[in-house]
Amino acid sequence: NAGVMQNPRHLVRRRGQEARLRCSPMKGHSHVYWYRQLPEEGLKFMVYLQKENIIDESGMPKERFSAEFPKEGPSILRIQQVVRGDSAAYFCASSPGTGGETDTQYFGPGTRLTVL
Amino acid sequence: AQSVAQPEDQVNVAEGNPLTVKCTYSVSGNPYLFWYVQYPNRGLQFLLKYITGDNLVKGSYGFEAEFNKSQTSFHLKKPSALVSDSALYFCAVRDRVSGGYNKLIFGAGTRLAVHP
Repeated sequence: NAGVMQNPRHLVRRRGQEARLRCSPMKGHSHVYWYRQLPEEGLKFMVYLQKENIIDESGMPKERFSAEFPKEGPSILRIQQVVRGDSAAYFCASSPGTGGETDTQYFGPGTRLTVL
Repeated sequence: AQSVAQPEDQVNVAEGNPLTVKCTYSVSGNPYLFWYVQYPNRGLQFLLKYITGDNLVKGSYGFEAEFNKSQTSFHLKKPSALVSDSALYFCAVRDRVSGGYNKLIFGAGTRLAVHP
């Protein structure tokens, strides 16, 4: 069973460009979470999605950031008009459910975004 | 507000000695607590979790953690450290305020250095 897949692993963008980060959850997992990690800091929650629905986007900046998890295909985190402060590692996690033994989140390897 | 504190930025241990990485939490109600490990340029790997039951939880790679409700702590332990245990360790608590799903709140992380 393949783990959580993220691509690209490294992404370099110039200020003002768009960044598109992809996450494929583990097989059988329908819950996806995105977190951001700034250098030397812990992870901060951004958004939680289930298939075709955004459940909680309270941690995501209101402007320039958006996320989706379509019926088919990976979850996408999109950052428009990137700025240098967006440089960070972005991690995706997935879980099969949200209760008891099904709520453990498994993390992907992350996408390291560098904005020049 | 729910929060997690990891009071030590770094822990240094000699190989073969026992190790402890500290974590304290603040939640309303019963906590769901997790430990993850992050190796350089990698994603987070799940080590163990406490939901209910025995206060001593055993996890991957010989790690265990002790839940102490009176001290609101969930310290990570290992009887005999290995050089390969050197990594960044994160404690996390499940945010139950947000409706019961598994949004994680992370501590800032503790860097463990095991010396030969």
